[in-house]
Amino acid sequence: GAVVSQHPSWVICKSGTSVKIECRSLDFQATTMFWYRQFPKQSLMLMATSNEGSKATYEQGVEKDKFLINHASLTLSTLTVTSAHPEDSSFYICSGLVRALETQYFGPGTRLLVL
Amino acid sequence: GENVEQHPSTLSVQEGDSAVIKCTYSDSASNYFPWYKQELGKGPQLIIDIRSNVGEKKDQRIAVTLNKTAKHFSLHITETQPEDSAVYFCAAFWGAQKLVFGQGTRLTINP
Repeated sequence: GAVVSQHPSWVICKSGTSVKIECRSLDFQATTMFWYRQFPKQSLMLMATSNEGSKATYEQGVEKDKFLINHASLTLSTLTVTSAHPEDSSFYICSGLVRALETQYFGPGTRLLVL
Repeated sequence: GENVEQHPSTLSVQEGDSAVIKCTYSDSASNYFPWYKQELGKGPQLIIDIRSNVGEKKDQRIAVTLNKTAKHFSLHITETQPEDSAVYFCAAFWGAQKLVFGQGTRLTINP
């Protein structure tokens, strides 16, 4: 299967700071990437759809000014959590779409803890 | 929009027995149904998928069945092993590119 990496794997930050998470497709070009958030013992919640070279599409209830997404290349999408607060603490997971297969491959996730 | 219901939420089976997880979906236009396995602290891993033009697919100890008329699909794991313990998510492909996930099933294999 296709490989997706995320960096960092975990991050601890102070309240009010910004955190950037990178998502890379290592062996395929992902014109579309997705960002999910997962709280403990819950399912994955789609936050936004990121298309290379265009603005991200955010799901209802997700603040686009707080969760900035950039997809400047076919292999890299970034999620920046701006002015993070403790309630933003979660497991953030990205995926890349292999369009020919209509299949999403997920990264290993980034655990964010905001103190 | 699409909605996916998954049952059971937890499942405990003896090692060597079979496990079955079931999902139903609401949008008859969905045509792709993947299953993901998620281990603690890791991202979901695609383990098997099925498209609407087939009714069953098998890969070693794992099989998936699809009933399009009833809008439900199931994951079957035979000869379960301790390493099968994880959370399993079903999903339905919706709106040309989105995946809608079920609530997840925590599977525990008892030695």
